[in-house]
This record gives sequence, structure tokens and C-alpha cells, in this order.
Amino acid sequence: GNSVTQMEGPVTLSEEAFLTINCTYTATGYPSLFWYVQYPGEGLQLLLKATKADDKGSNKGFEATYRKETTSFHLEKGSVQVSDSAVYFCALSEQGAQKLVFGQGTRLTINP
Amino acid sequence: EAGVAQSPRYKIIEKRQSVAFWCNPISGHATLYWYQQILGQGPKLLIQFQNNGVVDDSQLPKDRFSAERLKGVDSTLKIQPAKLEDSAVYLCASSFGGPETQYFGPGTRLLVL
Repeated sequence: GNSVTQMEGPVTLSEEAFLTINCTYTATGYPSLFWYVQYPGEGLQLLLKATKADDKGSNKGFEATYRKETTSFHLEKGSVQVSDSAVYFCALSEQGAQKLVFGQGTRLTINP
Repeated sequence: EAGVAQSPRYKIIEKRQSVAFWCNPISGHATLYWYQQILGQGPKLLIQFQNNGVVDDSQLPKDRFSAERLKGVDSTLKIQPAKLEDSAVYLCASSFGGPETQYFGPGTRLLVL
């Protein structure tokens, strides 16, 4: 079945550091890929998405590129801020489907 | 625009008791989802409704979990009887189109003792 694997957390960085959170997936066909974020005390929010190979999703300084050859969708940000502290979830949906399959989440803490 | 509403926000029960959660989706959203998020894991879909019909309930433990969507709007998720391993956050989401249009509620945190 479809699955998503994220790098183990928690991840702790200093402000302005470069961030990478790894995500790989297993799926049949051509899924859409997503990153969701959960800030403390808030609900899950869509951060960015990519719907086909080589697409780059971006939002709020975060980027992720859909790499079909490596079945990956790694999240990156060039300079993190304290306000980026949250739990990040990688997810996929099968082509034509609505439901989401999530990875286990990565907790990110940014220290000033 | 009001978001997805869920209640209660927290619930503590003893094993073998029953519990029910309520969700009010965003107005006009035809699709409603219930997810279970166990601590340290990502959300797992329990059931998906399209209007008031069930689209996917393949991961719903039907011996103890049940869900309904009244008149294609509000939904309730029930657990009867609860087990210790049901301790989790139960998330409700609604959407009007593709998966990227899912909006999540704040969740109900359940602790089974």
C-alpha cells in the first residue's frame, strides 16, 4: 500500500540555519505530494504541494521538489526563524483520490 | 469564514466506557473525514464521507467504532467500548475539492485510562 516515511525527529536548529526534513514515499502511479504544518495549539495546515514529477512547491520560504526518480519530497528552508517551530508532516494522495496518507511527523524547534 | 469545529476538545474516560465526538464542517464542504492521530504518529484516516454517504471506511475498527453524518452536514464519531489503545487525537477535516482543499479542525484529545 501507499506509505510515507519522514526523517526521525526531533530536529533542533538555531535561528537562520538551513533546514532540510527528508521525506520519501511508496506509491503506485503518480501521487500528489504535500507538506502540512501543525503549530503549537493549532490545527493542521497545508504548507505546500506538488502534483507531478519535477514540480516545486513553495510557501513562506519553504520549498520541496517532487523527485520521482528517488521517490522523495524533501522540505527545505534557507533561513529558519523561531516562528517556524512546529510539527511538519509529509503526505501523499493517490491520483484521483481525496484521502491523505501521512508520515509520522517531524518536530522542529528553532532556538533564538 | 468559520473553520471546522470539533467538540469536546478533551475527554478522559475509563476503558470499556463509551465516548462520542462531534464535528461541524465548513459550510458547503461536501466531503468530511475523521482521522486518528496517535502520539508520535501521523494522522490515519478512519472514515471519509461524501455528503452523507460513506466513501472509505476500510481502516475503521467497525467492532467498536461507528460514525454517521447527519443530513450531509455535522458528523459524530463514537467508540463503544473504548480500549487503552484508542488514546489519541481525533481530527475532523472537510473539503470541497481535491485533497489540498482539506481543512482540519483543532481535534479532540482522548485519554482512555
